Parts: sequence; C-alpha cells; structure tokens
Amino acid sequence: KAGVTQTPRYLIKTRGQQVTLSCSPISGHRSVSWYQQTPGQGLQFLFEYFSETQRNKGNFPGRFSGRQFSNSRSEMNVSTLELGDSALYLCASTSTSGGAETQYFGPGTRLLVL
Amino acid sequence: AQSVTQLDSQVPVFEEAPVELRCNYSSSVSVYLFWYVQYPNQGLQLLLKYLSGSTLVKGINGFEAEFNKSQTSFHLRKPSVHISDTAEYFCAVSQRAGGFKTIFGAGTRLFVKA
Repeated sequence: KAGVTQTPRYLIKTRGQQVTLSCSPISGHRSVSWYQQTPGQGLQFLFEYFSETQRNKGNFPGRFSGRQFSNSRSEMNVSTLELGDSALYLCASTSTSGGAETQYFGPGTRLLVL
Repeated sequence: AQSVTQLDSQVPVFEEAPVELRCNYSSSVSVYLFWYVQYPNQGLQLLLKYLSGSTLVKGINGFEAEFNKSQTSFHLRKPSVHISDTAEYFCAVSQRAGGFKTIFGAGTRLFVKA
C-alpha cells in the first residue's frame, strides 16, 4: 500500500497570502488529521475529518480551515498568512482495522512565510 | 482534556548503552498511548502503541514501553542503542472515543554518541 502523501513538500508565501495544502490518505482510511509542528509550540492538533465531516478541532483561529472529499483526500487552507504560520504541516490517516486505531503520518509540507 | 509531559528535552547516551525516555500523561478520559520517532526532515513514524491488555508493549527497532496506570506513565526503553537511533522521540495520547485527536509531548532529543 502507498503511504500518506502530501503536496507540495515545500512552499514559500508572503504575509497576507493564503495557502492550500493537500493530503492523500492511505487507501481505505477514512479519517484524516492535520497537525502543525513548530520549534516553539511543538506538535499541535489542528483538526480531524471523517467521512467528509469535521469530527474534532484544535485551538487554532478561524484562518485555519479544512475539508475532506468523498475519496477521503483532504485539504487544509490558511488565509491571511502570518509569519508565525511558518511550520511543518503534517497529515495523518487513521486505520481502525481490528479496533486498533493507528495513525500513519505523511512526510509533511514545510511552509515558510516571509 | 489530556496533556503529555516528556521529562527530558535531551538525552545523550553512548552507543550500546541502555536508554529510557520518560513520559507522563494526564487525562480525564480513557486514552490510547503512543511513541513516535521523527528523523530530520521527515514525518513521524510509529514506534509502538498501547491500546489495552499487557502493560509491556514491544515496538520496532528493539524499543519497548511499559504502561503504568497508577503513575500515569508510559516510559520508552531500549537495552542497547545504536548511532542510527539518534532522532526526536514523541510520546502521545489519543482519546478512545469521539474520533482521533492526538496530543503530543514536547519531544525528547536522543543523541547517541560513538
């Protein structure tokens, strides 16, 4: 099985712009979660989507949003970018096979805001 | 709400020596427990997980962890480390119901010296 893929891998934007990141989960996985990783705040949960519905949400401002499509692919969008949004954004898809929930992470998208 | 505390930010150790990375958690609900490893410029890789049953969990690369409910700890151990184990290690908890929302510790940087 192919792993979780994220595109693009690297991105440079300027303050005030918006950005869209994409995540393709492992085939058959219906849950997709997003995380932000920064040196100062560490790994923080953004949101989780399951069957096209947001099921859980972290403590991020409304500038951060996401969606999930019928094929389970997910996108996250950040509007009005700020310097502090520079981070590694990780996507994870979840397997619930046999009742054992396990997250598989993609390689991440590194966003630099100038 | 859940929280995770990794008691050491950095752990230097000589090659072939044993190592223990400490993790304590708090939660008002039942949780799953995980350890992940992150190599430079890569995403997270699952080392091991505790879902239920035996409190001693064995993972990949010779790592194991012990769940201690009374002390709310989930320490990671390896009897003999290699240079290639140099990486960042994250302890994490996830609620058992209501979808996936993983809370990570701040990470422990394991540095294996020759």
